[in-house]
Amino acid sequence: GESVGLHLPTLSVQEGDNSIINCAYSNSASDYFIWYKQESGKGPQFIIDIRSNMDKRQGQRVTVLLNKTVKHLSLQIAATQPGDSAVYFCAEKFGNEKLTFGTGTRLTIIP
Amino acid sequence: EAGVVQSPRYKIIEKKQPVAFWCNPISGHNTLYWYLQNLGQGPELLIRYENEEAVDDSQLPKDRFSAERLKGVDSTLKIQPAELGDSAVYLCASSLDRAAQYFGPGTRLTVL
Repeated sequence: GESVGLHLPTLSVQEGDNSIINCAYSNSASDYFIWYKQESGKGPQFIIDIRSNMDKRQGQRVTVLLNKTVKHLSLQIAATQPGDSAVYFCAEKFGNEKLTFGTGTRLTIIP
Repeated sequence: EAGVVQSPRYKIIEKKQPVAFWCNPISGHNTLYWYLQNLGQGPELLIRYENEEAVDDSQLPKDRFSAERLKGVDSTLKIQPAELGDSAVYLCASSLDRAAQYFGPGTRLTVL
């Protein structure tokens, strides 16, 4: 399943399927991006980051894609598990300026 | 390795009362951040420290909020007096220079 980030803040995916969470960032000069996962009652948890000189970066079961042309960032989660259910935030930063967070997308994994 | 530690985890106070939050960053992290998070929204930066120096406090409501990081390690954030609209989660994060920020569990403040 896919979401369009700010405009569709909820995404439901069947357990075992892949999920794609999208984010449209605002500053074309941003050079650093992070995806965070936040479970209920907890602080945001770092998942993966990417710098603007890259367009793809892979972690364990996660891949971040960056398209600077259209200011778009996506997080792909492979073989989703119940523990992946959370709110996912993208965040962007330019140089030494502050990290700016998006609104977030709630991902629900259906058993 | 221990993560960012915050206390208390929950705080309920009446309006006009003072409140303080404490944060101990990840060992070796020179940069410390305080964020405010309202329900359903992303965190918003209140203040950033590099070692002992507050390098960005432009979003901190200085009439009632104050923060300190005297020895460049742990930090406190204070609100005096608290208002109803201050009810939120207060998050602390730390990083090594400009690298990824790691967050603590937050303090959930309820002002009655």
